[in-house]
Amino acid sequence: ETGVTQTPRHLVMGMTNKKSLKCEQHLGHNAMYWYKQSAKKPLELMFVYNFKEQTENNSVPSRFSPECPNSSHLFLHLHTLQPEDSALYLCASSQAGTSYEQYFGPGTRLTVT
Amino acid sequence: GQQLNQSPQSMFIQEGEDVSMNCTSSSIFNTWLWYKQDPGEGPVLLIALYKAGELTSNGRLTAQFGITRKDSFLNISASIPSDVGIYFCAGVTTSGTYKYIFGTGTRLKVLA
Repeated sequence: ETGVTQTPRHLVMGMTNKKSLKCEQHLGHNAMYWYKQSAKKPLELMFVYNFKEQTENNSVPSRFSPECPNSSHLFLHLHTLQPEDSALYLCASSQAGTSYEQYFGPGTRLTVT
Repeated sequence: GQQLNQSPQSMFIQEGEDVSMNCTSSSIFNTWLWYKQDPGEGPVLLIALYKAGELTSNGRLTAQFGITRKDSFLNISASIPSDVGIYFCAGVTTSGTYKYIFGTGTRLKVLA
């Protein structure tokens, strides 16, 4: 595997379900990010992790819970979501402190029914 | 808060034409990034710019870091059908806590 991978690519869940999104980066980067992309809106930054430590939480509702067990893996745990949470969830990584080029995964298309 | 204005929002062009789009802001950035996103996929990094005035090419794509550090431009020469997609700019501030600000995207459609 190369670059940034995300699983699953598509997810349909009910409002009472619990699911998790997974991201893995194979670039040796030290920072990872979760973004939400909704139609006709700019990318919304959700969470930032630097060296496994959360450094930013952009007022994200508690029904979204991130986890970064090491600098290569990032999870987004989902529970009791709302239909308006349906969106493309993108993971990205970068080497903070040097180039700041951010590389994205293919995304998970989430539909909440 | 910081905002990026990206224009045009969308454009239809004929195959073979050149394309220009830009991003402007009232804020200064240290780095500019340009991405392309295909439907159902994540954004792919096209070009990164690090210095005011810098002009960088990647094949038929050329991007410039504005002298004021508040804007950036992307040009695509001799467009082809596979250039279809959404192009995003991102400004990065790297002093202190670094931040990425994304534009709303330019949707490009190429008519064969």
